[in-house]
Amino acid sequence: SQTIHQWPATLVQPVGSPLSLECTVEGTSNPNLYWYRQAAGRGLQLLFYSVGIGQISSEVPQNLSASRPQDRQFILSSKKLLLSDSGFYLCAWSVKAGAETQYFGPGTRLLVL
Amino acid sequence: GDSVTQMEGPVTLSEEAFLTINCTYTATGYPSLFWYVQYPGEGLQLLLKATKADDKGSNKGFEATYRKETTSFHLEKGSVQVSDSAVYFCALSVVGAGGTSYGKLTFGQGTILTVHP
Repeated sequence: SQTIHQWPATLVQPVGSPLSLECTVEGTSNPNLYWYRQAAGRGLQLLFYSVGIGQISSEVPQNLSASRPQDRQFILSSKKLLLSDSGFYLCAWSVKAGAETQYFGPGTRLLVL
Repeated sequence: GDSVTQMEGPVTLSEEAFLTINCTYTATGYPSLFWYVQYPGEGLQLLLKATKADDKGSNKGFEATYRKETTSFHLEKGSVQVSDSAVYFCALSVVGAGGTSYGKLTFGQGTILTVHP
């Protein structure tokens, strides 16, 4: 069966510091991968998606970037965090065919102080 | 563009009450519709889905019917439990003409449900 991991689970970082959140998927190959942000009391916003190694599409302009160095690894990064980057970050995967279900990881709660 | 509108919460119910959470959508192409649930402190879990008009998705006592004529996918449960307390998200994903998958979910804003004993 497929599983998706995210770490760390919780992170507190000062403004201006760098960020690296990691997501890995097991039990499937060549998945689509997604990064979402959920701000407090709000819905989910798609940040990035990837259909393959090294292929990243950005949905909104922002202070963050994403990379996919391996087939089942998806990394969310920032060089300098802003207060507005605080939120709950969710990674998800799906198969490629059709408008398929996305499966979410447990999330990383980021607090920027 | 594609969008999903959910009824505003929070919704507070007593145990064994009937639940309805309204969801309507606008979409180009041929959407699949989903309900996801987020329990406190956790990620999202798929609750149910429907991929074409008149399909009914069901799981854990929850149901939703894909109504193309009213562009709706309302979530219902006949008797809620305290353990159903969570945030519920309606979402859509569009397969474009010719079968091209966009592979991206558009979410509603979420509805907080609290069930009291």
